[in-house]
Amino acid sequence: GENVEQHPSTLSVQEGDSAVIKCTYSDSASNYFPWYKQELGKGPQLIIDIRSNVGEKKDQRIAVTLNKTAKHFSLHITETQPEDSAVYFCAAHKPLYNNNDMRFGAGTRLTVKP
Amino acid sequence: DAGVIQSPRHEVTEMGQEVTLRCKPISGHDYLFWYRQTMMRGLELLIYFNNNVPIDDSGMPEDRFSAKMPNASFSTLKIQPSEPRDSAVYFCASSLSRAAYGGEQFFGPGTRLTVL
Repeated sequence: GENVEQHPSTLSVQEGDSAVIKCTYSDSASNYFPWYKQELGKGPQLIIDIRSNVGEKKDQRIAVTLNKTAKHFSLHITETQPEDSAVYFCAAHKPLYNNNDMRFGAGTRLTVKP
Repeated sequence: DAGVIQSPRHEVTEMGQEVTLRCKPISGHDYLFWYRQTMMRGLELLIYFNNNVPIDDSGMPEDRFSAKMPNASFSTLKIQPSEPRDSAVYFCASSLSRAAYGGEQFFGPGTRLTVL
């Protein structure tokens, strides 16, 4: 099955700096790569996603890049703010008929220091 | 819409007791997922349903775990008997059928289970 690795496990940045989280996946058939943000005491929430036919996607201060050849994708947060502090999960989805096979990375705890 | 609803939010029980976690998915969503989250193992998919039918239960750790979805608006995850190593946060999530081709899963707030 799919295996998703995520790095780093913890990341601390100063407010205003950029943060980058990287993930790799094993199955070249995976074609959908979402990123979820989990705040304390809450469930994960989708913040951005990218499909395999696109190399980059941006939404305000967050962007994702995908390198299909190398099988890795990254989350970039610019101008970080204290409210960006949370755990971030990447995931990879492999499409199969009547199957919703999505595997999550282990998560990155991001701390933005004021 | 109120989003995915889970109950209880917190459950403390003693080893050997039966535990039942409940989930109400978002109306109209036809996929439902149960996840377990621990510090050691991260977010693990336990089982998921499509149109109330279990599709993949390969993530269910043991026979002590069972899940049902009697109708489109309700699902349960049961642990019998419970053990201390079952202590975790259990999430329910739902999504639309188009998500079979990649789409957003909507997570509930989770149930924090502590087995003493």
